[in-house]
Amino acid sequence: AQKVTQAQTEISVVEKEDVTLDCVYETRDTTYYLFWYKQPPSGELVFLIRRNSFDEQNEISGRYSWNFQKSTSSFNFTITASQVVDSAVYFCALSVGNFNKFYFGSGTKLNVKP
Amino acid sequence: TAGITQAPTSQILAAGRSMTLRCTQDMRHNAMYWYRQDLGLGLRLIHYSNTAGTTGKGEVPDGYSVSRANTDDFPLTLASAVPSQTSVYFCASSDSRLAGGPNTDTQYFGPGTRLTVL
Repeated sequence: AQKVTQAQTEISVVEKEDVTLDCVYETRDTTYYLFWYKQPPSGELVFLIRRNSFDEQNEISGRYSWNFQKSTSSFNFTITASQVVDSAVYFCALSVGNFNKFYFGSGTKLNVKP
Repeated sequence: TAGITQAPTSQILAAGRSMTLRCTQDMRHNAMYWYRQDLGLGLRLIHYSNTAGTTGKGEVPDGYSVSRANTDDFPLTLASAVPSQTSVYFCASSDSRLAGGPNTDTQYFGPGTRLTVL
């Protein structure tokens, strides 16, 4: 069975603080993809990153970075120097198999206060 | 390009009435999906379609039906709405034909439809 756990329901930080959003996944498949999506208050879902199971390299994109560790089945997302515009709900997702089924975590709501 | 469009943006529906949520994509993606989003539960897959002419059941298919007559459209129908179907519905699409490219299987989402069943 596949499962994605985002244990942090809600996080509040002050602008310019760094924040890490945790994502732990479960799957027996050896080939899978991991994703992060952002859902700002406007409601749309914005794709942030896709990582396949064979690529454990960390990735940095501006203030965003992702740490993928197969040993702990984690795919954590760090925002450096957070900004108010980062306030959103962030979803981690897992995709396995041939049917592109996504398994979403329950989301982490990030509040960045000025 | 428009990407994925959904209609209506929001709707209030009386219980027992039928309703079709529309979804259209212009990216020629082969696969399309319907999710519902409920507080604390994240997104749950209702139905999916890997290619025109085929559909499959997701995690929560009961009370919903879909069709995929062509590549671009993937309507979701509630035959007899119930209050528990009050939710935000998202349509998504992906392309599985990109042979492992960076965007293979990435799902792109529409803006959502907020449905309230009274």
